[in-house]
Amino acid sequence: RKEVEQDPGPFNVPEGATVAFNCTYSNSASQSFFWYRQDCRKEPKLLMSVYSSGNEDGRFTAQLNRASQYISLLIRDSKLSDSATYLCAVNIGNTPLVFGKGTRLSVIA
Amino acid sequence: NAGVTQTPKFQVLKTGQSMTLQCAQDMNHNSMYWYRQDPGMGLRLIYYSASEGTTDKGEVPNGYNVSRLNKREFSLRLESAAPSQTSVYFCASSEVDEQYFGPGTRLTVT
Repeated sequence: RKEVEQDPGPFNVPEGATVAFNCTYSNSASQSFFWYRQDCRKEPKLLMSVYSSGNEDGRFTAQLNRASQYISLLIRDSKLSDSATYLCAVNIGNTPLVFGKGTRLSVIA
Repeated sequence: NAGVTQTPKFQVLKTGQSMTLQCAQDMNHNSMYWYRQDPGMGLRLIYYSASEGTTDKGEVPNGYNVSRLNKREFSLRLESAAPSQTSVYFCASSEVDEQYFGPGTRLTVT
């Protein structure tokens, strides 16, 4: 089983829709969790951290489910500008983050 | 703050040539990283430096060397470039866990 797995998509959704992605991780000792956004031909940019209690930032909500070992990202009221690839990242102790391969989102007018 | 900067932005090399990719950060972060990103492969860690004076291999270190010149700068060297090293290279830095990325270098080896 890979350390961090994501559905590659693409997820094609209409403007205004709600969409959710999951990211599963294999190591139960994982401690820190993040979502990054990567636009085409650009660098990954930190979108939000994922805390045990969840995290909300405007239309974006991130959740952690330790029992089932996954994190989720929910985007409400999708905008055209949300079209991007969303990468999850997981950290175990003092080792560097392990990144998923990303889920591609396309928001359609 | 410029964050993480990388030079050059684009580079074309012939097989066997050498070059050094430069990375600098102005966030006073202790840790720095080099990744390569290829279609369908995601980000793969080449080398990282947890602090000034230390470097460690990542997932795909073969064919690369690194130097942590000081706290700000972390360079990646290709001694003898191969077509398999055609990729986009990202440098990143972090203080704790979350990493911040530079804009990348697009390298083509012919």
